[in-house]
Amino acid sequence: EVQLVESGGGLVQPGGSLRLSCAASGFTFKSYWMHWVRQVPGQGLVWLSRINSDGSITNYADSVKGRFTISRDNAKNTLYLQMNSLGAEDTALYYCAREMGTNNYWGQGTLVTVSS
Amino acid sequence: QSALTQPASVSGSPGQSITISCTGTSSDVGGYNHVSWYQQHPGEAPKLMIYDVTNRPSGVSNRFSGSKSGNTASLTISGLQAEDEADYYCTSYTSSDTWVFGGGTKVTAL
Repeated sequence: EVQLVESGGGLVQPGGSLRLSCAASGFTFKSYWMHWVRQVPGQGLVWLSRINSDGSITNYADSVKGRFTISRDNAKNTLYLQMNSLGAEDTALYYCAREMGTNNYWGQGTLVTVSS
Repeated sequence: QSALTQPASVSGSPGQSITISCTGTSSDVGGYNHVSWYQQHPGEAPKLMIYDVTNRPSGVSNRFSGSKSGNTASLTISGLQAEDEADYYCTSYTSSDTWVFGGGTKVTAL
């Protein structure tokens, strides 16, 4: 069974940092592009970043470029999102997802709250 | 990277057909056949309903269909059922090697 389990969310002060993890199981993790998407509760989905199967290609939305870094450890079947210089606008539920088209699958998300 | 444009809400009577539009530009929807549609029920993760404009994943009802004309993609739900009440999001690959979502459409079965 395919599983994506996000962790690492929580309360962080403005200007702080947080690293999210997404543990993958039930499929050959190293074969897929992976993505991070966030959603403010009650609002829409926002694509943040993607990384290719071996980690050599990364892309970011303008809203997080220079602040967030996506990475992966295929030996550990884990995807990461390092988030720096966090502001209130980054408060959201963060999802990891496998692919955006065919073979798409989503985790249940981890909540990040940026507040003093 | 502007969000794709979707109507905020669409409603229909059970059994009717409804269509949700998703308008972008030639740099995203119009330029690529990588348009997907997701269904999201409250408190749940999104679920893929259509990928690559017209393709349905295994297990998705054939009441859901997708199409595209120019810079606008569309999702049609035929024979609307109460269980189809949810938020629907389109997404497209872009010329910037990124993806962009629409603002979402709330579907209501009256």
